[in-house]
Amino acid sequence: KAGVTQTPRYLIKTRGQQVTLSCSPISGHRSVSWYQQTPGQGLQFLFEYFSETQRNKGNFPGRFSGRQFSNSRSEMNVSTLELGDSALYLCASSGGTSDRLGQFFGPGTRLTVL
Amino acid sequence: DAKTTQPPSMDCAEGRAANLPCNHSTISGNEYVYWYRQIHSQGPQYIIHGLKNNETNEMASLIITEDRKSSTLILPHATLRDTAVYYCIVSPHNTNAGKSTFGDGTTLTVKP
Repeated sequence: KAGVTQTPRYLIKTRGQQVTLSCSPISGHRSVSWYQQTPGQGLQFLFEYFSETQRNKGNFPGRFSGRQFSNSRSEMNVSTLELGDSALYLCASSGGTSDRLGQFFGPGTRLTVL
Repeated sequence: DAKTTQPPSMDCAEGRAANLPCNHSTISGNEYVYWYRQIHSQGPQYIIHGLKNNETNEMASLIITEDRKSSTLILPHATLRDTAVYYCIVSPHNTNAGKSTFGDGTTLTVKP
């Protein structure tokens, strides 16, 4: 079974621009979560989508948004990029129901904001 | 979600067992203990999880104390490839399951 895939793997943007990252979960998984990882703040939860609905949300500003499609693929968008948004953005999928066996992470998208 | 406390770093000799402790004294009844590890520049990898019974899989064993306030991840025969940051988290096994709070983890260094 293929793992979680994320595109692109690397991205360079400038301040003020916006960016869209994509995540394809493991086949059959309906929950997709997004995390931001930086050296200073560690791994922080952004939001989770389940069956096309945002089910949980972390403490990030409204510039960070996401959505999930009917095939469970998910995108996250960051508008008006700031230097501090430079980070590794990780996507994780899980079954989303009571029988899930933890979250399975993708390789991440490394975003650099100049 | 309950918070966890882990030692920042540990060393282990190759071939020996690595025992990684985790305190989660405020864990609630519906929260499971999950362990993940992250090898440099890769996404975290799920290792094992449990509620109150000890668990074992092909990667590791998880020992949870009877009061559920702490747990230990055991890598029975550590290899150099087990060098990674290990995260212990607690999370409910329900609709909040997709929202996990990761702490700083334990950096395990396996030495030859």
